[in-house]
Amino acid sequence: EVQLVESGGGLVQPGGSLRLSCAASGFTFSRFWMTWVRQAPGKGLEWVANIQQDGSEKYYVDSVKGRFTISRDNAKNSLYLQMNSLRAEDTAVYYCAKNLPEILTGYLLGMDVWGQGTTVTVSS
Amino acid sequence: DIQMTQSPSTLSGFVGDRVTITCRASQSIRSWLAWYQQKPGKAPKLLMYKASSLESGVPSRFSGSGSGTEFTLTISSLQPEDFATYYCQHYDSYPITFGQGTRLESK
Repeated sequence: EVQLVESGGGLVQPGGSLRLSCAASGFTFSRFWMTWVRQAPGKGLEWVANIQQDGSEKYYVDSVKGRFTISRDNAKNSLYLQMNSLRAEDTAVYYCAKNLPEILTGYLLGMDVWGQGTTVTVSS
Repeated sequence: DIQMTQSPSTLSGFVGDRVTITCRASQSIRSWLAWYQQKPGKAPKLLMYKASSLESGVPSRFSGSGSGTEFTLTISSLQPEDFATYYCQHYDSYPITFGQGTRLESK
């Protein structure tokens, strides 16, 4: 069964740090771009970051640049999100997701597998 | 950044109704558009990609169309399990952005 399982969420004070993990199973993790998406309470979806198969390309939403780092360990089938200098507005459910690639070009088409999410609360 | 605007924000329908959600991009995104369905407390589910391609396992009552800046998601005959929130998302360039969502409610 194709599965993504996030962990590492919790309550952290403003300015603090947290590292989220996402364990992948049921597919060849190293072949796919991976993504973090977040959803603040009662709000819509916000893309956070993407990472290429070998980790050489990374992209971030402006609001987290310089504070968050996406990484992966293909040997461990794991995706990570290191979050530093956390702010109240980072409070959200964080989802990891696998990207569906276009077969011929490799272009990304959408996120076809999602984890259940892990909750991050930034509050004093 | 490319802004994605969905309309309406809320939509009501009866089981059996045909409903359409619109998504507009602030600039051309060619056909790099995906649609997701999300139910309360659950992760989103991919419905459509490349504007009009149906994801495997998604019922054929869902269809998508459009290119450039205007896109639609249509449900041909609403079923009870379709009441949820729907999001469009572009993949044309970074940053990737989502629409604000359309909540589909039972009338």
